[in-house]
Amino acid sequence: GAVVSQHPSRVICKSGTSVKIECRSLDFQATTMFWYRQFPKKSLMLMATSNEGSKATYEQGVEKDKFLINHASLTLSTLTVTSAHPEDSSFYICSARMGGGLGTGELFFGEGSRLTVL
Amino acid sequence: AQSVTQLGSHVSVSEGALVLLRCNYSSSVPPYLFWYVQYPNQGLQLLLKYTTGATLVKGINGFEAEFKKSETSFHLTKPSAHMSDAAEYFCAVAAAGNKLTFGGGTRVLVKP
Repeated sequence: GAVVSQHPSRVICKSGTSVKIECRSLDFQATTMFWYRQFPKKSLMLMATSNEGSKATYEQGVEKDKFLINHASLTLSTLTVTSAHPEDSSFYICSARMGGGLGTGELFFGEGSRLTVL
Repeated sequence: AQSVTQLGSHVSVSEGALVLLRCNYSSSVPPYLFWYVQYPNQGLQLLLKYTTGATLVKGINGFEAEFKKSETSFHLTKPSAHMSDAAEYFCAVAAAGNKLTFGGGTRVLVKP
């Protein structure tokens, strides 16, 4: 199947710093990517929908100035956690859609990035 | 709006026994339903999906699920559990634009 790669897989940073997480579709073009956050032993929460060449669409309750999303090309979306704090520590997962519309477009998930803010 | 409920946050089965993970959904439109598996510290891997057509869907690793509209269910089964099936399983329903709403997840423990 198609491959979606996230980098870094693990990152530890100090409180107040910013961290960038990359999501790449390695063998297909993805006009739409999704960013999820997963708390320990919890389900995935959709944070935002990233559209190539346009602004991301954020879910209710997600701070867009805190979680900056850029989708500059058809194979790369980035999530930047700005001024990170310990409560931002989480597992962040991206997914990319290949192919057609709802139901026919396959979604592929990255391996996830575990962020720990000290 | 869509929602997904997975009954049982933990399921323990013996190796070789039937695996049954329950999923009920609500959707204002005909649903597209998915089951994903997640191994520790990894992303999600698609097991199977239902879009249209045959209501019994077969997936990878011997799993299958049946869409029952009248029961708004999409339960996941595997006839014989293997140790490698120990993982977290998520049921999801797709909304417009492929936005997935996930259930709370069910952690499967397989006993030797």
